[in-house]
Amino acid sequence: SQTIHQWPATLVQPVGSPLSLECTVEGTSNPNLYWYRQAAGRGLQLLFYSIGIDQISSEVPQNLSASRPQDRQFILSSKKLLLSDSGFYLCAWRPSGSLDEQFFGPGTRLTVL
Amino acid sequence: RKEVEQDPGPFNVPEGATVAFNCTYSNSASQSFFWYRQDCRKEPKLLMSVYSSGNEDGRFTAQLNRASQYISLLIRDSKLSDSATYLCVVNEGGGNKLTFGTGTQLKVEL
Repeated sequence: SQTIHQWPATLVQPVGSPLSLECTVEGTSNPNLYWYRQAAGRGLQLLFYSIGIDQISSEVPQNLSASRPQDRQFILSSKKLLLSDSGFYLCAWRPSGSLDEQFFGPGTRLTVL
Repeated sequence: RKEVEQDPGPFNVPEGATVAFNCTYSNSASQSFFWYRQDCRKEPKLLMSVYSSGNEDGRFTAQLNRASQYISLLIRDSKLSDSATYLCVVNEGGGNKLTFGTGTQLKVEL
């Protein structure tokens, strides 16, 4: 069966510091991968998605970036965090093919102080 | 107008009650629809997919009305464990982008 991992689970970072969040998927190959952010009281916002290694699409211009160095690894990064980057970051995967359903990892709760 | 709109609630219902949530979407070209459940400070989990007019899974029934552009979720015989936030999700163009509502909070009480 497929599983998705994210780490760290929680993170507290000062403004201006760098960020690296990691997501890995097991039990599948060539998945579509997604990064979302959920701010308090708001819906999930799609940040990036990837259909393959080194293929990244950005949905929202901001100071975040994403990379996919391996088939089942998706990384979210920032060089300098802003207060507004605080939120719940969720990685999701979707089997390549016709299904639309996405399945989420446990998330990383980021607080920028 | 929001792309996917839900009543935030909370809906406070007694155990055993039947409760229904509605969700409206703005894009008439939307292809597929989902309900996710999200517990406090946890990730969303897929509850039901709605590809045609509707489907049923145990105590849960989802219905789709394309003419009026809304999706509903009916929960029968509510359990305490049903307490959660229910997210309405729409795939607008058949591609990679899912659009999430902000969720409806359900509290089932003794």
